[in-house]
Amino acid sequence: EAGVTQSPTHLIKTRGQQATLRCSPISGHTSVYWYQQALGLGLQFLLWYDEGEERNRGNFPPRFSGRQFPNYSSELNVNALELEDSALYLCASRLAAGAGNIQYFGAGTRLSVL
Amino acid sequence: AQSVTQPDIHITVSEGASLELRCNYSYGATPYLFWYVQSPGQGLQLLLKYFSGDTLVQGIKGFEAEFKRSQSSFNLRKPSVHWSDAAEYFCAVGRMNRDDKIIFGKGTRLHILP
Repeated sequence: EAGVTQSPTHLIKTRGQQATLRCSPISGHTSVYWYQQALGLGLQFLLWYDEGEERNRGNFPPRFSGRQFPNYSSELNVNALELEDSALYLCASRLAAGAGNIQYFGAGTRLSVL
Repeated sequence: AQSVTQPDIHITVSEGASLELRCNYSYGATPYLFWYVQSPGQGLQLLLKYFSGDTLVQGIKGFEAEFKRSQSSFNLRKPSVHWSDAAEYFCAVGRMNRDDKIIFGKGTRLHILP
């Protein structure tokens, strides 16, 4: 069974551009979480989607947004990129509610903003 | 506020020696507790979890962790480390019976001496 897959593996953008990151959850998982892992800051929660709806959001500006599609895959969009957005972006998925909050992670997308 | 503290940023042990990584948490309710491992360039892999019951939990790769409510701790242990255990280890906490974000510690990087 395939795990959580993220694409692209690496993404290089310049300041002011937009970035789109994609995540496919484990088959049967309905929740998708996004985290940012920036150097020296650890893992910071970004967004949580469940059944196509945004359920919770971390302390990030509105230029970080996303969505979840009917097949439960998800996109993270970062507009007006800034240098400090350079980080590893990790996606995690979880089974339906009530199954215990065990999140399984993908390998991440390394975003570099020049 | 909810938080996770991993007091050791780096730990170096010799191959074959025992290992203990410390984790303390601050949480207003009964927590779910996790340890994840991240190898260089990889995503996070779940080592073990504690939800309830026996406070000594066994995980993959020979790791175990003990939940001590009185000390708000969830330390990770391994009796004999292997060179392949060199990685970064994250302790994390989530809310029992809730499916939202997990809060991560800042990680402990484990170095293994041959």
